Amino acid sequence: NAGVTQTPKFRILKIGQSMTLQCAQDMNHNYMYWYRQDPGMGLKLIYYSVGAGITDKGEVPNGYNVSRSTTEDFPLRLELAAPSQTSVYFCASSPLPGLAPESGETQYFGPGTRLLVL
Amino acid sequence: AQSVTQLDSQVPVFEEAPVELRCNYSSSVSVYLFWYVQYPNQGLQLLLKYLSGSTLVKGINGFEAEFNKSQTSFHLRKPSVHISDTAEYFCAVSEGNAGNMLTFGGGTRLMVKP
Repeated sequence: NAGVTQTPKFRILKIGQSMTLQCAQDMNHNYMYWYRQDPGMGLKLIYYSVGAGITDKGEVPNGYNVSRSTTEDFPLRLELAAPSQTSVYFCASSPLPGLAPESGETQYFGPGTRLLVL
Repeated sequence: AQSVTQLDSQVPVFEEAPVELRCNYSSSVSVYLFWYVQYPNQGLQLLLKYLSGSTLVKGINGFEAEFNKSQTSFHLRKPSVHISDTAEYFCAVSEGNAGNMLTFGGGTRLMVKP
């Protein structure tokens, strides 16, 4: 299994440009998440999904959109990039609670996408 | 709402010395607790987790943590650190009735010196 994969690894955007951060997982996990990581701030949840066709906002959703058309993929869309969106973005996935005792609520993270908006 | 506080943003320590990284949480319900490690330019990797049962949890790379409900703490310890333990460590909490939603602390950078 490749686990959770993210593309691209690094991207520079100009203010106002748009882009999609890709995330895929091959573990058949129902739950998927997008976080952003800013220095000294830990990880903040942007959006999450509990299954195909179902998404919901996290703590910091403004300026972002997501979709979940399949179990495997969970892309994050930035429509009008702003300098405040400069960050490292992590995608994660986890199995349904209680259905995988050995995984026990664990989230599995991708390697991250570093985004710089200038 | 739950919150997680990691009291130390940086912890410098010499190689082979013991280390403790502190984590306190607040929640009104039962919780699951996690420690993740992030090596430079990599994603987060699970170190250990507490779901229920024994309050002393052992993880990978010789780390362990103890859940203390009365003090709402989940401190991470290692008796002897190596240079390779240099990384950022994140404590996280999930409320038992909230699916898999994690709330992260701000992180602690462990710097192991030779």
